[in-house]
Amino acid sequence: DTAVSQTPKYLVTQMGNDKSIKCEQNLGHDTMYWYKQDSKKFLKIMFSYNNKELIINETVPNRFSPKSPDKAHLNLHINSLELGDSAVYFCASSQGKRGNTDTQYFGPGTRLTVL
Amino acid sequence: DQQVKQNSPSLSVQEGRISILNCDYTNSMFDYFLWYKKYPAEGPTFLISISSIKDKNEDGRFTVFLNKSAKHLSLHIVPSQPGDSAVYFCAATMNRDDKIIFGKGTRLHILP
Repeated sequence: DTAVSQTPKYLVTQMGNDKSIKCEQNLGHDTMYWYKQDSKKFLKIMFSYNNKELIINETVPNRFSPKSPDKAHLNLHINSLELGDSAVYFCASSQGKRGNTDTQYFGPGTRLTVL
Repeated sequence: DQQVKQNSPSLSVQEGRISILNCDYTNSMFDYFLWYKKYPAEGPTFLISISSIKDKNEDGRFTVFLNKSAKHLSLHIVPSQPGDSAVYFCAATMNRDDKIIFGKGTRLHILP
């Protein structure tokens, strides 16, 4: 049983396209996150949701829009993809609202390549 | 602005010896530190953490040491095993915040 799953695992697309990455967790956690790991290997928080409420919204372009239909899902939609969006995107979840001290469980990542 | 720095991109250690991974931070407000381990094609997994009120936390073969005055922490793995070969991310946070700041990671190779 995969605790945090992401689809797709790989995504190759053209500049200007719109794409979505889906994330689901079956841990019963209240908080979910999206991280971006860029070419320099930095793993940076983008968003977090607690019970479908946006908690963290880092400075990311508004082309990125997270959507949480329920607390087990947090999808990431990206409009008008740019070359610089190429990265590995990780979804994560944690039990409580305080994602900094609660253990976060990560998905396997989605490698996005924008051509 | 790198608030969490892992200056060694990679480290090779003989199996059975001690692995020491280092991490420095710049923000004195950080009060909780974590180490995550990552295998290729997988997401990071939590390994061990330490609160700033402590200077050492041990869990089996893994020990994290915190030197607040030097703004430095280290992860010791002893004895090192082949399955320890992975990328190790140091991370830090502050109690009033909700987000974790990660370092760039150090790739550890355990040599047979």
